[in-house]
Amino acid sequence: GNSVTQMEGPVTLSEEAFLTINCTYTATGYPSLFWYVQYPGEGLQLLLKATKADDKGSNKGFEATYRKETTSFHLEKGSVQVSDSAVYFCALRSSNTGKLIFGQGTTLQVKP
Amino acid sequence: ETGVTQTPRHLVMGMTNKKSLKCEQHLGHNAMYWYKQSAKKPLELMFVYSLEERVENNSVPSRFSPECPNSSHLFLHLHTLQPEDSALYLCASSQTLAGRQPQHFGDGTRLSIL
Repeated sequence: GNSVTQMEGPVTLSEEAFLTINCTYTATGYPSLFWYVQYPGEGLQLLLKATKADDKGSNKGFEATYRKETTSFHLEKGSVQVSDSAVYFCALRSSNTGKLIFGQGTTLQVKP
Repeated sequence: ETGVTQTPRHLVMGMTNKKSLKCEQHLGHNAMYWYKQSAKKPLELMFVYSLEERVENNSVPSRFSPECPNSSHLFLHLHTLQPEDSALYLCASSQTLAGRQPQHFGDGTRLSIL
């Protein structure tokens, strides 16, 4: 079945450090891939998306590239801020079932 | 502002109370969802509605009763809850049930059962 695996957290970085959160997936067909972010006390917000191989999603300085050959969708940001501290979820949506499958979430803490 | 509004944001209730959670989406979507998010656990999909018809019920106890009166509104009626039901309840919507577009989430209702 479809699944998403994210790197274990928490990830602790200093402000302005480079961020990578790894995400790999298993899916039949050609899913869409997403990163969601959950700030403390809030719901999930869509951060970025990619709907086909080699697409790059980007938003607020974050980027992720849909890599079919490695079945990956790693999240990157060149210079993190304290305000980026949150939980990040990688997810896929199968076009067959429409179900949204989430990874377990990675907590990011950015220190000043 | 995601276009999905949930009320109330916080709810404290006793095990014998009856209450309802409300979700409203302003996106013109046809599918709506209830999720449960507990500490240290993955997100759990509870119910799925498409065009006001329930299409999925993931072994959720009958003390949770969903209602979808129209494509913009979704309710979760609660009665005789247990302490383990304390969690963040998230509503989401998507353009269609099947497809490649994302789901859009509300800010959730933080539910605490005394």
